[in-house]
Amino acid sequence: NAGVTQTPKFQVLKTGQSMTLQCAQDMNHEYMSWYRQDPGMGLRLIHYSVGAGITDQGEVPNGYNVSRSTTEDFPLRLLSAAPSQTSVYFCASSYNLGQGGSEAFFGQGTRLTVV
Amino acid sequence: AQSVAQPEDQVNVAEGNPLTVKCTYSVSGNPYLFWYVQYPNRGLQFLLKYITGDNLVKGSYGFEAEFNKSQTSFHLKKPSALVSDSALYFCQGQGGKLIFGQGTELSVKP
Repeated sequence: NAGVTQTPKFQVLKTGQSMTLQCAQDMNHEYMSWYRQDPGMGLRLIHYSVGAGITDQGEVPNGYNVSRSTTEDFPLRLLSAAPSQTSVYFCASSYNLGQGGSEAFFGQGTRLTVV
Repeated sequence: AQSVAQPEDQVNVAEGNPLTVKCTYSVSGNPYLFWYVQYPNRGLQFLLKYITGDNLVKGSYGFEAEFNKSQTSFHLKKPSALVSDSALYFCQGQGGKLIFGQGTELSVKP
């Protein structure tokens, strides 16, 4: 049982490049989400999913795409990287929120630098 | 709108003293509330949760939290702080998605 696995741990991109941050969980969680964490800004929700085939935008979705083709995987795509996307990205998963009561499990984070 | 707020960006405590990290919430229905800790360069780790029942819940590393429905609060507490408790703490609620507070930096000095 690996929990939530994020790859890569570190990445440097040039402005305009695209890339995909991977997130996988092996706990059969229906809910998955992506956050970015910047100094003094807490966690800001980018996108989330309540099940395979269902995604929705969070508070800072611009410049990011997601898809959820399987329960296990929830990749985050940066379409054209910008320096403003330099941040630490976290993926989190949880059981179905409709039933309440389940804590979130976090990956170890991806530190992204866009130059 | 559902929300969770942590009114203090930073809390400073001397080692051995009690600590409190504050959280207030605004959610409809039964509140499900959680606390997490984040150490540098790590993801968030679950500490404790309130679902229903006793208003005082106990969690990991000697932490506890008190749920107060009338004050819509869920403050994190520890009777005697350790230097190793220094970290970033997040309160979380639920409202169709995970809702986090802004985080509180706890600094425990020797």
